[in-house]
Amino acid sequence: AIQMTQSPSSLSASVGDRVTITCRASQGIRNDLGWYQQKPGKAPKLLIYAASSLQSGVPSRFSGSGSGTDFTLAISSLQPEDFATYYCLQDNNYPLTFGGGTKVEIK
Amino acid sequence: QVQLQQWGAGLLKPSETLSLTCAVYGGSFSGYYWSWIRQPPGKGLEWIGEINHSGYTNYNPSLKSRVTLSGDTSKNHFSLKLTYVTAADTAIYYCARGRLFSAPDSWGQGTLVTVSS
Repeated sequence: AIQMTQSPSSLSASVGDRVTITCRASQGIRNDLGWYQQKPGKAPKLLIYAASSLQSGVPSRFSGSGSGTDFTLAISSLQPEDFATYYCLQDNNYPLTFGGGTKVEIK
Repeated sequence: QVQLQQWGAGLLKPSETLSLTCAVYGGSFSGYYWSWIRQPPGKGLEWIGEINHSGYTNYNPSLKSRVTLSGDTSKNHFSLKLTYVTAADTAIYYCARGRLFSAPDSWGQGTLVTVSS
C-alpha cells in the first residue's frame, strides 16, 4: 500500500496567518490526491481534489499544489472557522490511503 | 444535493458481525463508487472498501477477509458487513460517495460502533 506521510502533525497559528501542510507519498501518484478538513464530531469535508482543483463551495483561500510524491495544502489567510484537522488522501492506487492528519490550533 | 444517511447497530460484542447500511438521497446511485471509511476515536482515517452500482468491489487488503460490501440499486442503499469484530474495530464508520480512483466528495454523518464484552 502507498504510505502517505503528512507534516506537521500539529501546528499553532493566528487568524490571518498563511499556513502550509505537506503530504509525501511513498511512491509517485501523479496528481491523484485530495485534501479534507475535519471538525470535531463531523465527517471530513473535501476541499481539494486532483491535487489542485478546488471543490465547489470551498473558499478560494484554500489551494493545493504538487504532483508525483510531494504535495502542499495552503491556507492563504487563516480564518476562525479553519481551525480543524486536515487529511490528505491518495486515490491513485488501491487501497486508498490517508495521511496521519494535521491539527491546526489557535495560537 | 446528494445526502447520505447511515444506520446500524452501535454496540457489539467481540466475534459478532458489524452491519451498517447507507441510503443515498437526492442523487443517482449509478456512475459512482460507494465507500466505507472508518476512524477510531481520536485517530486517523482508514479506507475499508467501495462498491459500484454493478456490484464491482474493491477492498482494503487489511480487512478483506472479514468485509463484505453489497448494494441494492432498487433502494439506493449500500451496506457493510464486518465479521468477527474485536475491540480494534471500535470506530466511527462513514459511508461516502466518490468515483473510480477519486476522493469521496459526499459523506454520511458517521456511526460510532463500539465493540465491548
